[in-house]
Amino acid sequence: EAAVTQSPRNKVAVTGGKVTLSCNQTNNHNNMYWYRQDTGHGLRLIHYSYGAGSTEKGDIPDGYKASRPSQENFSLILELATPSQTSVYFCASGDLGATGQLYFGEGSKLTVL
Amino acid sequence: GEQVEQRPPHLSVPEGDSAVIICTYTDSATAYFYWYKQEPGAGLQLLMSVFSNVDRKEEQGLTVLLNKKDKQLSLNLTAAHPGDSAVYFCAVSGGTGGYKVVFGSGTRLLVSP
Repeated sequence: EAAVTQSPRNKVAVTGGKVTLSCNQTNNHNNMYWYRQDTGHGLRLIHYSYGAGSTEKGDIPDGYKASRPSQENFSLILELATPSQTSVYFCASGDLGATGQLYFGEGSKLTVL
Repeated sequence: GEQVEQRPPHLSVPEGDSAVIICTYTDSATAYFYWYKQEPGAGLQLLMSVFSNVDRKEEQGLTVLLNKKDKQLSLNLTAAHPGDSAVYFCAVSGGTGGYKVVFGSGTRLLVSP
């Protein structure tokens, strides 16, 4: 069974603080993604990666950085967190071309005060 | 870039009735189409995926229709039951955006006994 693990699952941060959300996958997938989910917006793509060492901007990258140090790990970094970044963040891994299925983590709820 | 609109945002049907969710997309080169289901507090689980050469796919009470002329994707849950209550998302990929997977805004389905 494909597995994507996110940490932390819940995080409370202060405005201006640094937040790092981590994601680990054991699927050996090349592609990994970070989305945020907000009511009325569905899932919006923040950053994605084609493999170790690569990061690409998604549709809403402003205020976020990403890091893919290895095939298994993909981090989302908020250098200066703001209340507007309060959301639920989902990491996913997948390889398009076969079923194209994305495998999702269980989400990380971030609250920025 | 690719835009995906999903409707309706909320859908309530009695048990045994069908429920239809529709998505429209903008990129005619889009190759992969997906429907995901999200239970409360969880990540997304793939329901069905179709490639662009498929017009209709049926699996276990679910029917996916793809109308490439109108750039429309639909999900029909026939004979819905309360266990189908969840949030449903369409997603597309493989167009000019490459490996980007773009999601619709979601439909909250409630099936009443």
